[in-house]
Amino acid sequence: GAGVSQSPSNKVTEKGKDVELRCDPISGHTALYWYRQRLGQGLEFLIYFQGNSAPDKSGLPSDRFSAERTGESVSTLTIQRTQQEDSAVYLCASSLEGGRVFDEQFFGPGTRLTVL
Amino acid sequence: AQKITQTQPGMFVQEKEAVTLDCTYDTSDQSYGLFWYKQPSSGEMIFLIYQGSYDEQNATEGRYSLNFQKARKSANLVISASQLGDSAMYFCAMREGSGAGSYQLTFGKGTKLSVIP
Repeated sequence: GAGVSQSPSNKVTEKGKDVELRCDPISGHTALYWYRQRLGQGLEFLIYFQGNSAPDKSGLPSDRFSAERTGESVSTLTIQRTQQEDSAVYLCASSLEGGRVFDEQFFGPGTRLTVL
Repeated sequence: AQKITQTQPGMFVQEKEAVTLDCTYDTSDQSYGLFWYKQPSSGEMIFLIYQGSYDEQNATEGRYSLNFQKARKSANLVISASQLGDSAMYFCAMREGSGAGSYQLTFGKGTKLSVIP
């Protein structure tokens, strides 16, 4: 079966431009997460979607970051007016339910964003 | 304070030997879960093993086992019979079971494991 997919795999942009990153979760997974991984670091939580509930945006680093999800399907993470410190790998994960302590998160391959 | 601490930035192990990767955590929740993920150079995150706070026995998955010491708040990963393909970054993560953000994973900074032939 298909896993979590993300596009593009690599994105190079100029400072100040907007970028949009896409995530296709595993079919049937109601929970979706975005994480950011800076070079040589662990993952930082950005945002969480669960079904039709209001998303948890508590990890978004600034108001330049936003994300949407269409139902229990595709999600897009948008970064406006990109800065060099936004350069990182952005990872998307999905899980079956999201509401239990053990709920395995399946990760996509990530989008490597480079802001020049 | 760091919620997940991995004190070993890098580790070396001889092929076929066992290795222990350290992880300590900090939480006041009674219900929580601890996870280990492997990240090869290709970048994908691969789930390895899970330990719940109420699990009485240490988790095992094939060559991976988790040495869970609740009183010491440690959850060390043990890899037995190391293979060259085990060379990767290893991340310890925690999910707390109550309160705000109870669904997100909090990750440590990782340990880079290199297996020597």
